[in-house]
Amino acid sequence: ETGVTQTPRHLVMGMTNKKSLKCEQHLGHNAMYWYKQSAKKPLELMFVYNFKEQTENNSVPSRFSPECPNSSHLFLHLHTLQPEDSALYLCASSQLQGRNTIYFGEGSWLTVV
Amino acid sequence: DQQVKQNSPSLSVQEGRISILNCDYTNSMFDYFLWYKKYPAEGPTFLISISSIKDKNEDGRFTVFLNKSAKHLSLHIVPSQPGDSAVYFCAARVGTGNQFYFGTGTSLTVIP
Repeated sequence: ETGVTQTPRHLVMGMTNKKSLKCEQHLGHNAMYWYKQSAKKPLELMFVYNFKEQTENNSVPSRFSPECPNSSHLFLHLHTLQPEDSALYLCASSQLQGRNTIYFGEGSWLTVV
Repeated sequence: DQQVKQNSPSLSVQEGRISILNCDYTNSMFDYFLWYKKYPAEGPTFLISISSIKDKNEDGRFTVFLNKSAKHLSLHIVPSQPGDSAVYFCAARVGTGNQFYFGTGTSLTVIP
């Protein structure tokens, strides 16, 4: 139990579907992140939210749409994805100040068919 | 441009021996370094960290060494146990920001 909970853990969706990934952190942190992990690649930062304001969008295609209604919840809305978007999507959180450590959820395995 | 590199994709070690995982970085502004452990189908879990003002940090069987002049850090696991078999990622951060840079990971197998 890392204090960061992601649902669903596994998701299979067609290219025309719309789905969402959900993340909740119970650590009192004020920054939340979405990362993507594909095989044999480093973790790719997708989005960063500080105090529920988006501060980073690392050239992520618009078919990925994040939403951060408050500093404890983060969503990733998915629509018209491609098979190459199949990957492990990781949510994480941290404090903004000090020697902050980033804590990850268990990830959502996404398969696009 | 990958600022944090783990050049060994895999490592096998006998149980009870020392495991040494290496990480190199290019950005001299990095001042905080972390190691994460990841089991299949799970998210990475935080293992140990080190600030750039130190050259060593120890936590039980895990020790991280930092060589700033060489821009190199390493994770030592002594003694290695079969449960340590996982993928290990190093990460680095500049200042107090929240941009973390990760390596590609090293898969450690500890042979009983």
